[in-house]
Amino acid sequence: DVLMTQTPVSLPVSLGGQVSISCRSSQSLVHSDGNTYLHWYLQKPGQSPQLLIYRVSNRFSGVPDRFSGSGSGTDFTLKISRVEPEDLGVYYCLQSTHFPPTFGAGTKLELK
Amino acid sequence: EVQLVESGGGLVQPGRSLKLSCVASGFTFSNYGMNWIRQAPGKGLEWVAYISSGSSYIYYAETVKGRFTISRDNAKNTLYLQMTSLRSEDTALYYCARLEARGYVMDAWGQGASVTVSS
Repeated sequence: DVLMTQTPVSLPVSLGGQVSISCRSSQSLVHSDGNTYLHWYLQKPGQSPQLLIYRVSNRFSGVPDRFSGSGSGTDFTLKISRVEPEDLGVYYCLQSTHFPPTFGAGTKLELK
Repeated sequence: EVQLVESGGGLVQPGRSLKLSCVASGFTFSNYGMNWIRQAPGKGLEWVAYISSGSSYIYYAETVKGRFTISRDNAKNTLYLQMTSLRSEDTALYYCARLEARGYVMDAWGQGASVTVSS
């Protein structure tokens, strides 16, 4: 299985600040069709995960442009600018290029 | 509005069986592949199983293969997960999630059904 390594595990932030979360895969996530199936989710406390970014850099419907995704191959980043209270929670990356789909262990975004 | 509502969770003894359901609404259920994903208490997310829109393709995680069965009834807009030979390590919140095919991504999730395996 593809191992997804997220860093950091915990990320203290001040409201209005900017943060980056890293996700690295144990093998390239470029699919044979040329696409890269790396996605980002946010799980708020007591809620189910919600899709933020799909295929590296595409914001899902309704996701504010404060969220941006980038990267290629095995190295990916989620950036959040102007952090707001509703951004707090655990962020997960997911790869679905290779079977089985695998998630990172999560990064907890919390207030300083 | 897309909605997925799981049910059927509960407390069950090791070795026993349980069947989860997920009722879908707000979209054409028969057009989408569906997944089950679980989350052990305080832990991360683990993909469990996938079924294609017409049930032609079914895949399982190695941790549940041979014990769990995913199925669906498109006439009832319902996804199922039959779990047998349950173990303590199957204790988790089980989510159903829709697969958006173009992006190979789970774009809609239910609120989850809690399964506790304990004597």
